[in-house]
Amino acid sequence: DTEVTQTPKHLVMGMTNKKSLKCEQHMGHRAMYWYKQKAKKPPELMFVYSYEKLSINESVPSRFSPECPNSSLLNLHLHALQPEDSALYLCASSQATYYEQYFGPGTRLTVT
Amino acid sequence: TQLLEQSPQFLSIQEGENLTVYCNSSSVFSSLQWYRQEPGEGPVLLVTVVTGGEVKKLKRLTFQFGDARKDSSLHITAAQPGDTGLYLCAGVRGNKLVFGAGTILRVKS
Repeated sequence: DTEVTQTPKHLVMGMTNKKSLKCEQHMGHRAMYWYKQKAKKPPELMFVYSYEKLSINESVPSRFSPECPNSSLLNLHLHALQPEDSALYLCASSQATYYEQYFGPGTRLTVT
Repeated sequence: TQLLEQSPQFLSIQEGENLTVYCNSSSVFSSLQWYRQEPGEGPVLLVTVVTGGEVKKLKRLTFQFGDARKDSSLHITAAQPGDTGLYLCAGVRGNKLVFGAGTILRVKS
């Protein structure tokens, strides 16, 4: 089983809303990632969690707040987003940070 | 400057044609991955190449890893409309996955 699940599939939110994206994997992977992807571009790394601890924050604005409640779950809390934050948000996991990554289907986020 | 240079950026071909996508770097990678992504979906891992000179086949797709582990190629034989998508090469650098810019492939029937 190489499945990473993400919810919701689509999300529309206003600039004053607070919402959360969720990601789950049951492959026993110890590294999890959040990426942001604009149309026809490669994914851009946002955060890396390794053994449930944040190991990389790619200078992401504080309106994005990651959380790793346990080794299978990864959340991304959103608050006061801007229209330019509209994108496909991808979660990925890997056995460890130097192993190949498996991606979820993404959450299509639209900020109005 | 991209750590992984991918070419071509766009490719539009007729069904049945062959094509090759290239992924080049001046740096050595311990492994390279190839992903395929359809619009609105996440990238799907196609293959990982690890050994210099390695060739892997996945049905009509052939992947090569350069002898020096600095470059890789993806060759598709007799392309089909279902091959349409964004193809990404990627390699691990430190704790991060570094992506090429991607190749948008469109196969017309």
